[in-house]
Amino acid sequence: DVKVTQSSRYLVKRTGEKVFLECVQDMDHENMFWYRQDPGLGLRLIYFSYDVKMKEKGDIPEGYSVSREKKERFSLILESASTNQTSMYLCASSFGVSNEQFFGPGTRLTVL
Amino acid sequence: DAKTTQPPSMDCAEGRAANLPCNHSTISGNEYVYWYRQIHSQGPQYIIHGLKNNETNEMASLIITEDRKSSTLILPHATLRDTAVYYCIVRTSYNAGNMLTFGGGTRLMVKP
Repeated sequence: DVKVTQSSRYLVKRTGEKVFLECVQDMDHENMFWYRQDPGLGLRLIYFSYDVKMKEKGDIPEGYSVSREKKERFSLILESASTNQTSMYLCASSFGVSNEQFFGPGTRLTVL
Repeated sequence: DAKTTQPPSMDCAEGRAANLPCNHSTISGNEYVYWYRQIHSQGPQYIIHGLKNNETNEMASLIITEDRKSSTLILPHATLRDTAVYYCIVRTSYNAGNMLTFGGGTRLMVKP
């Protein structure tokens, strides 16, 4: 079974802190994604990566950056956390052009 | 990607079939219908997808109308563990980023 893991299930940070969210997948998938999910807004794409060291902006990249140094790992970075970045963050991966994405359990981030 | 419309919530008795409708009247010829679900506090889970023929797998069946303007996801024998939010997505099989965008979905409550 494909497994996508995220470094934390719950995280509390203060405004202005630099925050790292880590995601690891174990099925050699080329594509990896970072979404945030907010009530009433559904799932929105922040960034995605289709190969090591490659990244593309999604719908809402402002305030975020990403890093993909190894194929299995995709990191989301909040350079200076703000309260409006309080959200559920979901990582996903997929193989090739398939639209079957495998999601991690999510990280619920609270920025105070 | 075509927009989808789903009822916000539905109830189903345990052991009965759950039929979840989705309208996608603006679907274009190369767009597929995908279904995901999200159980509380977990990441989304892929269920099934189809283009125009009905599809069945171990989780569910997907019935797409002949004009492709609507579809129904069928869980043949719903269990309490099927209580989740179900998302219907319409999109091409491949596009830049391969990203998903979820709308509000249908909150299915399976009751004993």
